[in-house]
Amino acid sequence: NAGVTQTPKFRVLKTGQSMTLLCAQDMNHEYMYWYRQDPGMGLRLIHYSVGEGTTAKGEVPDGYNVSRLKKQNFLLGLESAAPSQTSVYFCASSPGSMNTEAFFGQGTRLTVV
Amino acid sequence: AQSVTQLGSHVSVSEGALVLLRCNYSSSVPPYLFWYVQYPNQGLQLLLKYTTGATLVKGINGFEAEFKKSETSFHLTKPSAHMSDAAEYFCAVRGVGYSTLTFGKGTMLLVSP
Repeated sequence: NAGVTQTPKFRVLKTGQSMTLLCAQDMNHEYMYWYRQDPGMGLRLIHYSVGEGTTAKGEVPDGYNVSRLKKQNFLLGLESAAPSQTSVYFCASSPGSMNTEAFFGQGTRLTVV
Repeated sequence: AQSVTQLGSHVSVSEGALVLLRCNYSSSVPPYLFWYVQYPNQGLQLLLKYTTGATLVKGINGFEAEFKKSETSFHLTKPSAHMSDAAEYFCAVRGVGYSTLTFGKGTMLLVSP
């Protein structure tokens, strides 16, 4: 059972380039999330989805877009990367009930130069 | 609204000493509370959670936490620290009716011989 898988694990981008981070979960979870982790800032929610075909903005959505065309996949896009988007990105998923935890992927380390 | 405050970005203990990591939360609705641990270059792993029922919750690796509603706290403790406990610890809250988890900024636990 793979759980939550993020692709790629590392990436270096030049300012202005675009890329898509892929998150896949095999637990049939309803909810999926994208967080970014920066030193001293904890985890901040970028976007999330409560079901296939739905997305919503989190705390820091600017500069990112997401799509959830299939229940098991949640894509995070950067249309024009900026150095401020250098971060570690985590995808997570959880069942639809409130009292359950989120399960995390291993993270994607993105550097924008 | 929901928020989490973790007191102390770094906590240092000696091996065998008591570990106490502090977490206070704010939630407009009854909360579900979580502690996660993150080892270097890895994703977040659930240590324990409080949903309903007993306010003293036991987790993995000998950790436990107590939900105190009157103090809006959910402090994490372990009677005797081990070198392998060195990691970053995150407290998170999900209010009833919320689909997202809000994380604190994290506390780095350093364990010295």
